[in-house]
Amino acid sequence: DTAVSQTPKYLVTQMGNDKSIKCEQNLGHDTMYWYKQDSKKFLKIMFSYNNKELIINETVPNRFSPKSPDKAHLNLHINSLELGDSAVYFCASSPRTGFAGELFFGEGSRLTVL
Amino acid sequence: GENVEQHPSTLSVQEGDSAVIKCTYSDSASNYFPWYKQELGKGPQLIIDIRSNVGEKKDQRIAVTLNKTAKHFSLHITETQPEDSAVYFCAASPGGKLIFGQGTELSVKP
Repeated sequence: DTAVSQTPKYLVTQMGNDKSIKCEQNLGHDTMYWYKQDSKKFLKIMFSYNNKELIINETVPNRFSPKSPDKAHLNLHINSLELGDSAVYFCASSPRTGFAGELFFGEGSRLTVL
Repeated sequence: GENVEQHPSTLSVQEGDSAVIKCTYSDSASNYFPWYKQELGKGPQLIIDIRSNVGEKKDQRIAVTLNKTAKHFSLHITETQPEDSAVYFCAASPGGKLIFGQGTELSVKP
């Protein structure tokens, strides 16, 4: 039973399109994150939500809009996709915000913008 | 904000040799230092972590050392095996947000 699951795993789309990535965790955690991993493998935090409330927004363009319908789900919607948005997007969760402990990552969603 | 530097970016060793990866951090408020392993096509997975009140921690073939004064910490893998081949990330946490290093691609040759 997968702890943090993301869909889709692969996404290929044209510039200018709008797309969404979904994430669900069954660990009972309060806090969820989106990380972006670029072509050089660099992992950078984008957003953090705690129990549906936005906690961290790391100067991500407004085209990226996270939504958390409940504490087990965190979705990422991207408008007007650009070539530079091509990356692997990872969802992660932790027991609570401010928690200095293990993050549980999903397997990633590879977005390719043509 | 916190900045984490990781070296080397690539590391190739023979099976059975040791591998060492080093990281430095900038924010003295950081108090938690995990190491993640990322296999091809997978998400990062925690392999070991250390907190600021501890200088060294070991788990079988893996050990981590922390020097808070110098703001650096290291991962040591002994008796490397081909299945250790992966990308390894260090991270520092100045309060709930993990800031990752640039990653080290470790290749263990049989």
